[in-house]
Amino acid sequence: ETGVTQTPRHLVMGMTNKKSLKCEQHLGHNAMYWYKQSAKKPLELMFVYSLEERVENNSVPSRFSPECPNSSHLFLHLHTLQPEDSALYLCASSQKLAGEGNEQFFGPGTRLTVL
Amino acid sequence: GQQLNQSPQSMFIQEGEDVSMNCTSSSIFNTWLWYKQDPGEGPVLLIALYKAGELTSNGRLTAQFGITRKDSFLNISASIPSDVGIYFCAGLLLNSGGSNYKLTFGKGTLLTVNP
Repeated sequence: ETGVTQTPRHLVMGMTNKKSLKCEQHLGHNAMYWYKQSAKKPLELMFVYSLEERVENNSVPSRFSPECPNSSHLFLHLHTLQPEDSALYLCASSQKLAGEGNEQFFGPGTRLTVL
Repeated sequence: GQQLNQSPQSMFIQEGEDVSMNCTSSSIFNTWLWYKQDPGEGPVLLIALYKAGELTSNGRLTAQFGITRKDSFLNISASIPSDVGIYFCAGLLLNSGGSNYKLTFGKGTLLTVNP
């Protein structure tokens, strides 16, 4: 138990569906992250939020839309996904973005399958 | 973009043996992180390194931040069966203003320990 929870743990959706992934951290951290983990590929950082503000980093297709309503919650809204979007989506949080305290604590992930 | 070369891709060792794995990059990083991931779970942080040349231990694990800031290694001494898993390195580069956040993961090293 890392203090980061994700729901649902498994999700199957069609390409025309709209769904949302939820992440909650109980650690009092100020930064939250979404990652995509596909087989045989490195973890891909998708989005970073610090103090509820999005930090620009990697380009991600617009069919993925993040939302950070407060420092404890992070959502990933999914819309018209493609089969290649099937992967494990991991959420993480950290006290800070960089320096000591930037250690990220991961949730267990949501296994997403797009049909 | 930045890439991390993590090696070896996989290792098969006998219980009690020592293990070494490393990551190299053509770019520098501010922070090096080492994670372990078990099946069905999110990565768990093992060691964080913040300064070039830093050598840090966590039980049987030892990691170093390379002097050039472009590499890091992780050693596991006296391996035990529960060390089985995938080990990831990650390099973080954050500019001084905090507006450009780049976190890159290696592809992982799969460790198998035979009792």
